[in-house]
Amino acid sequence: GDSVTQMEGPVTLSEEAFLTINCTYTATGYPSLFWYVQYPGEGLQLLLKATKADDKGSNKGFEATYRKETTSFHLEKGSVQVSDSAVYFCALSWGQTGANNLFFGTGTRLTVIP
Amino acid sequence: EAQVTQNPRYLITVTGKKLTVTCSQNMNHEYMSWYRQDPGLGLRQIYYSMNVEVTDKGDVPEGYKVSRKEKRNFPLILESPSPNQTSLYFCASSLAGAQYNEQFFGPGTRLTVL
Repeated sequence: GDSVTQMEGPVTLSEEAFLTINCTYTATGYPSLFWYVQYPGEGLQLLLKATKADDKGSNKGFEATYRKETTSFHLEKGSVQVSDSAVYFCALSWGQTGANNLFFGTGTRLTVIP
Repeated sequence: EAQVTQNPRYLITVTGKKLTVTCSQNMNHEYMSWYRQDPGLGLRQIYYSMNVEVTDKGDVPEGYKVSRKEKRNFPLILESPSPNQTSLYFCASSLAGAQYNEQFFGPGTRLTVL
C-alpha cells in the first residue's frame, strides 16, 4: 500500500544552518507530494507541494523536488531561523478513490537554537 | 476568515462515556476528514467524507463514528471511549476532485480517556 518514510528526529540546528529532512514514498500510480508544518500548539498547515515528477515546490525559503526515479521528496532550506522550529510532515495523496486522502510520514521535529 | 474549528480543544473523560467532537468549516468544502496523531505514528486517517451523506472509513476507523448531515459540519463520535483512544485529533477540509488540493486543518482536540 501507499506509505511515506520520513527521517527520524528530532533535529537540532543552529540558526543559519542548512536543513535537509529526508522523505521517501511508496505508491502505486502518480501521487501528489506535500510537506505540512505544525507549529507548537497549532494544527497542520501546508508548506509546499509538487504534483508531478521533477516539479519543485517552494515556500518561505523551503524547497523540495519530486524525484520519481528515487521516489523521494526531501525538504531543504539554506538558512534556518528560530521561527522554523516546528514538526514537519511529509505526505502523499494519490486520489485513487476520487478522494484526496493524505498518507503521512511520522513527522520530524526541528528545533533551531540562536 | 477561512477556517476549520473544532470543539472542545481539550477533553478528559472516562471509559465508556459517549462523547462527540465537533468540526465545522466555513469554506464550502466538499471533502472533510478526521485524523488522529500519536507519537511515532504521525497522522492516521479515521474517517472521511466526500460530500453530504457520503462517508467512508480511513485507516483506523474502529471505535469511531461520523456523520455528514450538513456540508459545513463533520462530527466525530466515540460511542464508548477506551484508553487507547487517548490521542490528539485533527479535522481537515478541502475542495474535492483533485489529489493535489490543499487540506486545511483545525487546531486539534486533545482527548484523554481514563
